[in-house]
Amino acid sequence: DADVTQTPRNRITKTGKRIMLECSQTKGHDRMYWYRQDPGLGLQLIYYSFDVKDINKGEISDGYSVSRQAQAKFSLSLESAIPNQTALYFCATEGGASGNEQFFGPGTRLTVL
Amino acid sequence: QQQVKQSPQSLIVQKGGISIINCAYENTAFDYFPWYQQFPGKGPALLIAIRPDVSEKKEGRFTISFNKSAKQFSLHIMDSQPGDSATYFCAAGTSGTYKYIFGTGTRLKVLA
Repeated sequence: DADVTQTPRNRITKTGKRIMLECSQTKGHDRMYWYRQDPGLGLQLIYYSFDVKDINKGEISDGYSVSRQAQAKFSLSLESAIPNQTALYFCATEGGASGNEQFFGPGTRLTVL
Repeated sequence: QQQVKQSPQSLIVQKGGISIINCAYENTAFDYFPWYQQFPGKGPALLIAIRPDVSEKKEGRFTISFNKSAKQFSLHIMDSQPGDSATYFCAAGTSGTYKYIFGTGTRLKVLA
C-alpha cells in the first residue's frame, strides 16, 4: 500500500463549487504539506502543518483552506473554486532518516470549468 | 530573494551522455539542497541532497556539485539512460524551518 494517498485522483468541477481534496499517510510523520504544480512554475507551497494544532500558510494560500483532522490526515479545501485553480495538487509528508526528505502522494488533477 | 532559478527548462540527451541541470539561489540562509525526480503520473521523489559543508555528493550515476560562493548547485547524470527520462526539480531550504523553495523543473528526455 502507498504511504501517502490522495483522493480523488481526478476531479472536474464548476466555478463556485466547494471542493475538498484529502490526504492520508501511514508514515507516522508529523509534518504535512500541500503543494500546487503548474507547468513551468514548479511546486508552490499552499499550506503546511507541523502537527495537528500547528497549521501555517504557504506562498499561495489565498482561496484555499486546510484541516488537519489527525496526524495522518490533512485535507485541502477550495471554498469557491475558480478556473485559475485548475492544477495538479500534491500532498507530502516529511521525515525519513535525515528528517528532511519529503514523501509525495500521487497527486490530484483538478479542473475547474 | 526566496527564488530558486532552474535551467534549462527542457533537455534532450543521447543515451550514454551526461545530463546537466543547474540551479541558482539568492538566500544565503539556505543550507539544504535536494533534487527530486518526477515520472509522469507520479509525485516527486527525493533523488539526492547536499548540504553546503561539501562541494560534491555522488550517488551512483547522480552527482550534485555545489558552489557556495556562486550560490549555485547542479545535478549531473552520468551515462544517462532512457529510464532517466523524467522531470527534475531542485529545491532549497533552511534547517529548522522545514519549508522548501522549488525550482521550476527540467524535463529531461534521454534518447535510446
